Amino acid sequence: GQQVMQIPQYQHVQEGEDFTTYCNSSTTLSNIQWYKQRPGGHPVFLIQLVKSGEVKKQKRLTFQFGEAKKNSSLHITATQTTDVGTYFCAGCFKDSNYQLIWGAGTKLIIKP
Amino acid sequence: EAQVTQNPRYLITVTGKKLTVTCSQNMNHEYMSWYRQDPGLGLRQIYYSMNVEVTDKGDVPEGYKVSRKEKRNFPLILESPSPNQTSLYFCASSLVGHQETQYFGPGTRLLVL
Repeated sequence: GQQVMQIPQYQHVQEGEDFTTYCNSSTTLSNIQWYKQRPGGHPVFLIQLVKSGEVKKQKRLTFQFGEAKKNSSLHITATQTTDVGTYFCAGCFKDSNYQLIWGAGTKLIIKP
Repeated sequence: EAQVTQNPRYLITVTGKKLTVTCSQNMNHEYMSWYRQDPGLGLRQIYYSMNVEVTDKGDVPEGYKVSRKEKRNFPLILESPSPNQTSLYFCASSLVGHQETQYFGPGTRLLVL
């Protein structure tokens, strides 16, 4: 079946350092969505990318969708304690009735 | 307030005792789904529903049932729970389907002894 690989599983950073998580699919995606889950919370939608090569920014967050629409990344500049949580990508596969397949998530941990 | 609600939030039960987790949304969404979340595995879809009386299996449907008799409600039924169904469960809804923004409920943490 379809799979979306997300790395790394964890990333420890000092506050103020940057953070990046990557998602990769073996087949072309229709779109990709990004979600954030705070500790003890539920996933909350951040953004959706649809176009090849698309780049979107939300304050310190930058989202990219690859030219081939097979990979995506989320980059956070100068992390803050409010960024703590797990970031998930979810790829939408047109050839599978637009099924949404989730990456395993990247947990952002801020070192004290 | 637009939201997805789930009940109960926490549940401890024993193997074989039937249980139902309710899910309701007040956004008039066509699409609803159930996920389970396990450490290191992300979110895996159990069942989804594109509309009233229309349900389909997701990636991990074994041991679960659902029904969609009304647009706003999408209960998850475990007829005979087993310990491997211990997990965190999320209900989600969206306007029309998988490709739209998913709105999640607060989650139900289930422990099957």
